Amino acid sequence: AQSVTQLDSHVSVSEGTPVLLRCNYSSSYSPSLFWYVQHPNKGLQLLLKYTSAATLVKGINGFEAEFKKSETSFHLTKPSAHMSDAAEYFCVVSPYGGATNKLIFGTGTLLAVQP
Amino acid sequence: KAGVTQTPRYLIKTRGQQVTLSCSPISGHRSVSWYQQTPGQGLQFLFEYFSETQRNKGNFPGRFSGRQFSNSRSEMNVSTLELGDSALYLCASSLARQAIQETQYFGPGTRLLVL
Repeated sequence: AQSVTQLDSHVSVSEGTPVLLRCNYSSSYSPSLFWYVQHPNKGLQLLLKYTSAATLVKGINGFEAEFKKSETSFHLTKPSAHMSDAAEYFCVVSPYGGATNKLIFGTGTLLAVQP
Repeated sequence: KAGVTQTPRYLIKTRGQQVTLSCSPISGHRSVSWYQQTPGQGLQFLFEYFSETQRNKGNFPGRFSGRQFSNSRSEMNVSTLELGDSALYLCASSLARQAIQETQYFGPGTRLLVL
């Protein structure tokens, strides 16, 4: 079975400091992993996706994630937080290596950015 | 290009009633997936339609059903509403059937309140 575990439900950083949102995955297939962001009263937006082409994946708005098979992790990072980054972030896995459109979402990490 | 649209945006129903929600995908997209988002259960996959056929179904009771029309628009129906059906219902559209191939774009959601 495929699943993702987001290790922190809330993360608070100061503007201009690095962001680290942690995600571990479980998958019996070569995983297809994603990070989505949800701003208040807005739809979900794809930040980035891992599809085995490269272990370091760059996404929008300066975010990137590194796939580490040995640690079964797919942590999301950003060098410098901006106020507009405050939102809820979801680590997502698609079963069967992304062979369908079904997405399994983690429980989310709420990112707060302090001025 | 217009995004995914969902109607209505807000809905209030009473227990025992039924409700129909609508999703219009991005032009050209043939896959539509539905998700339920609640504070307790998070984001859960309901079902996916591609070319008018249901391709995947999540673990929801038979009261939840859906369909897709020839123009790719999709509707989901919930019969005999329960208080626990109160949620944000999101739909997502994609060009392809496989999450590994194409990005899924989410609509703003329909917020359903069951009294």
